[in-house]
Amino acid sequence: NAGVTQTPKFRILKIGQSMTLQCAQDMNHNYMYWYRQDPGMGLKLIYYSVGAGITDKGEVPNGYNVSRSTTEDFPLRLELAAPSQTSVYFCASSALGGQAFFGQGTRLTVV
Amino acid sequence: DQQVKQNSPSLSVQEGRISILNCDYTNSMFDYFLWYKKYPAEGPTFLISISSIKDKNEDGRFTVFLNKSAKHLSLHIVPSQPGDSAVYFCAASAESGGGADGLTFGKGTHLIIQP
Repeated sequence: NAGVTQTPKFRILKIGQSMTLQCAQDMNHNYMYWYRQDPGMGLKLIYYSVGAGITDKGEVPNGYNVSRSTTEDFPLRLELAAPSQTSVYFCASSALGGQAFFGQGTRLTVV
Repeated sequence: DQQVKQNSPSLSVQEGRISILNCDYTNSMFDYFLWYKKYPAEGPTFLISISSIKDKNEDGRFTVFLNKSAKHLSLHIVPSQPGDSAVYFCAASAESGGGADGLTFGKGTHLIIQP
């Protein structure tokens, strides 16, 4: 019972570098989400997907891209890392009518 | 502009007593509310939810109350236990069950249970 798996758990990036945060779920959920949590703040929605091939912007999408080629995977891409993207990133999934299940998070530092 | 507000960053309660965590919201379209619990270095885990058609939902030691006219909800934990020490997030959605377009979260309340 893996649930939602995120990799890596920690990463340090230099300004201008790019990386992909991986997210996979094994619950056959249609809905998947990426959130970021800054210190002392709640989680803010970056992007979401209601199914394979369908993605949409959330509250804070700038500087990020996503794709959803399969039901299971929902990677988040940072193209030109900036210090403002230092945060903890959470991936989540939910079934229609159910609560969201979260991964353990990826702690990203941009220096 | 925060649509979901948790005005107490922290709350300290003695073990065995009642913990009451509060949450206010401003968006009248919200119709589904959830509480998540988060330990350090872990993702949030679902605790309890309530639909806007109800005013109370109970699950063991946890009860959520919803006052729609006041746009206020609260989470009661009775009795409080040391393992309840965590950050609690209030979240809301405009569609039942978490919604297709995600949840709106408050900033969280750090609950500390004192022995």
